[in-house]
Amino acid sequence: GQQLNQSPQSMFIQEGEDVSMNCTSSSIFNTWLWYKQDPGEGPVLLIALYKAGELTSNGRLTAQFGITRKDSFLNISASIPSDVGIYFCAGPPERGNTPLVFGKGTRLSVIA
Amino acid sequence: ETGVTQTPRHLVMGMTNKKSLKCEQHLGHNAMYWYKQSAKKPLELMFVYNFKEQTENNSVPSRFSPECPNSSHLFLHLHTLQPEDSALYLCASSQVLPSEGYNEQFFGPGTRLTVL
Repeated sequence: GQQLNQSPQSMFIQEGEDVSMNCTSSSIFNTWLWYKQDPGEGPVLLIALYKAGELTSNGRLTAQFGITRKDSFLNISASIPSDVGIYFCAGPPERGNTPLVFGKGTRLSVIA
Repeated sequence: ETGVTQTPRHLVMGMTNKKSLKCEQHLGHNAMYWYKQSAKKPLELMFVYNFKEQTENNSVPSRFSPECPNSSHLFLHLHTLQPEDSALYLCASSQVLPSEGYNEQFFGPGTRLTVL
C-alpha cells in the first residue's frame, strides 16, 4: 500500500529554535494534512494544503505542498515548550476512493 | 458537545471481560473510523464506516467488533482481549464527498485501554 515517510523520526531542540520536518511519498497526493498529537490525546488538524506549491501559515507554523505533489514540509518558528508532541502528515492517495494515509510521525521535544 | 467525543477516556479490563467503546461526532460527517495507536507505533486503521456501511476492515481480529447504528455514533465492542491489545483507541470522522473522496479527518481524544 501507499506509504508516507516522515523525517526526522524525532528531534530535540532548544526553546526558541526553528524546526523543520518533512513528509515524502512515492506516489502523488492531492491533499496534504498536518496533525499534532499531544500526549494522551487525539491528533488535531493544524494545516491543510490542497494545491501543488501552496504555502499556508497558521501562527508560527508554515506548511508547503511540494511542486511534485509527492512531498510536504512543516516549519515551526521560535519553538515553545507547548510545541512538544508528535506531528503527523497525512493525505488521501490520488487513486481510488480510499481513506487517509498517515506517516509514522515526528516526535518533537523542546528543551526549555 | 462539539467535535468528536469518546467515552470512556480510560478503561482497564480483564481478558475475559466484555466492554464497549463509544464515539459520537457532532460535525454532521458521513464517515467514521476506528484507529489503534500502540506505544511508539504509527496509527493503525482498523475500521471505516461510510454512510453507516463498513467499507474497510484491515484484518482486525474478531475480538474487536464495530457497530455503527447511525452516522453520528460508532461503537467498538471488545471481548476476550489480549494484553497486547492495550493501546490508545482513536475515533475519527470526516465528510466523504462523491467528487472528492476522503477529506480531512477530525479525531476524538481517544480511549486509553489497558488489558490485564
